[in-house]
Amino acid sequence: DSGVTQTPKHLITATGQRVTLRCSPRSGDLSVYWYQQSLDQGLQFLIQYYNGEERAKGNILERFSAQQFPDLHSELNLSSLELGDSALYFCASSPAGGAGELFFGEGSRLTVL
Amino acid sequence: LAKTTQPISMDSYEGQEVNITCSHNNIATNDYITWYQQFPSQGPRFIIQGYKTKVTNEVASLFIPADRKSSTLSLPRVSLSDTAVYYCLVGDMSWDYKLSFGAGTTVTVRA
Repeated sequence: DSGVTQTPKHLITATGQRVTLRCSPRSGDLSVYWYQQSLDQGLQFLIQYYNGEERAKGNILERFSAQQFPDLHSELNLSSLELGDSALYFCASSPAGGAGELFFGEGSRLTVL
Repeated sequence: LAKTTQPISMDSYEGQEVNITCSHNNIATNDYITWYQQFPSQGPRFIIQGYKTKVTNEVASLFIPADRKSSTLSLPRVSLSDTAVYYCLVGDMSWDYKLSFGAGTTVTVRA
């Protein structure tokens, strides 16, 4: 158990819909990272937050947005969903930023039909 | 950002030692080398991190030559449960570093 909690574990929805994925970081960790992993693809970095502020942005689509709240939990919002958005979405946390050890959650599997 | 190159896949047998080499020719002075392990449908798990020479923990060893342009993750006496994808990452500890995972190396351990 990494200490990172992601909900929901599984989500099935239709094209055009909007979903919110939630992440609670390890106690004390200030950085939260979001990653997307599609079938047969590596982990694609989406976005990083540190103590409530966006710190780094990767290949995140404009239809996707994220935020980190004062209690440090984070939400990833995916809108106007397309079939290609079906993937595993991982959240990770770390005490700080950079290449220090990341602690990953178990992921949220999104299926868009 | 330092680009990394590692083999796409490797096969091994139970009880053997598995060595995965990662090339990172443009590694910067402040960069660390980190390895993660990922099982299917699970989040990656940190294995080991090093800066130079050799680092060993209860799971693996990491060998880094003096020029730091490559590194080798060594898994001693693998078992079937070591079948996973192994990622090599290179980066510094800056606050906004975008940790990128490549395709990784799929290690398959057979009985």
